[in-house]
Amino acid sequence: QKEVEQDPGPLSVPEGAIVSLNCTYSNSAFQYFMWYRQYSRKGPELLMYTYSSGNKEDGRFTAQVDKSSKYISLFIRDSQPSDSATYLCAMSGQGAQKLVFGQGTRLTINP
Amino acid sequence: SAVISQKPSRDICQRGTSLTIQCQVDSQVTMMFWYRQQPGQSLTLIATANQGSEATYESGFVIDKFPISRPNLTFSTLTVSNMSPEDSSIYLCSVEGGGSKAFFGQGTRLTVV
Repeated sequence: QKEVEQDPGPLSVPEGAIVSLNCTYSNSAFQYFMWYRQYSRKGPELLMYTYSSGNKEDGRFTAQVDKSSKYISLFIRDSQPSDSATYLCAMSGQGAQKLVFGQGTRLTINP
Repeated sequence: SAVISQKPSRDICQRGTSLTIQCQVDSQVTMMFWYRQQPGQSLTLIATANQGSEATYESGFVIDKFPISRPNLTFSTLTVSNMSPEDSSIYLCSVEGGGSKAFFGQGTRLTVV
């Protein structure tokens, strides 16, 4: 079993829809949770960052962490074609511990 | 966040040859990281490079295959040695931004033929 599980998709939705992306994990020591967006032929870009449990909102993006269920989510409201990318979840424990990435979900927003 | 520049952005190489990838950061950083992203796969950490010491390699990666240099606090290189088609991948340089945040370069897309 992988430490971090993420459905690779692909996921295709119409413009304006609410998108829900999810990851599950097995390591209860994880404390830092991130979502990265990666456009084709580009490096990953940090999109959302959360420490421990709870929600964080930034514009159209909301990140949720449920440590009791070992489950994190990224919601995209009013999705735009420019949101079409691969979204990777990543997480790590306390201290200088390495990041563990999910496989990435390929998302397409159709105009 | 740091600005990270990688060169080359892409290359096509013959099997058996080596390629050195350069990573330049616009600020001094203690640790730099090298990742591999194989087609359709997630990011896998190859090694951590600290200035003034030997790089620390992850399980499955060895120095003879992926030698790393870290001559100063803003620069690192990763060499992919004796390449085979299985080394075709995207190679990414990364730096830490505090609290486990990672910032990435644009990547080097390597194709081995």
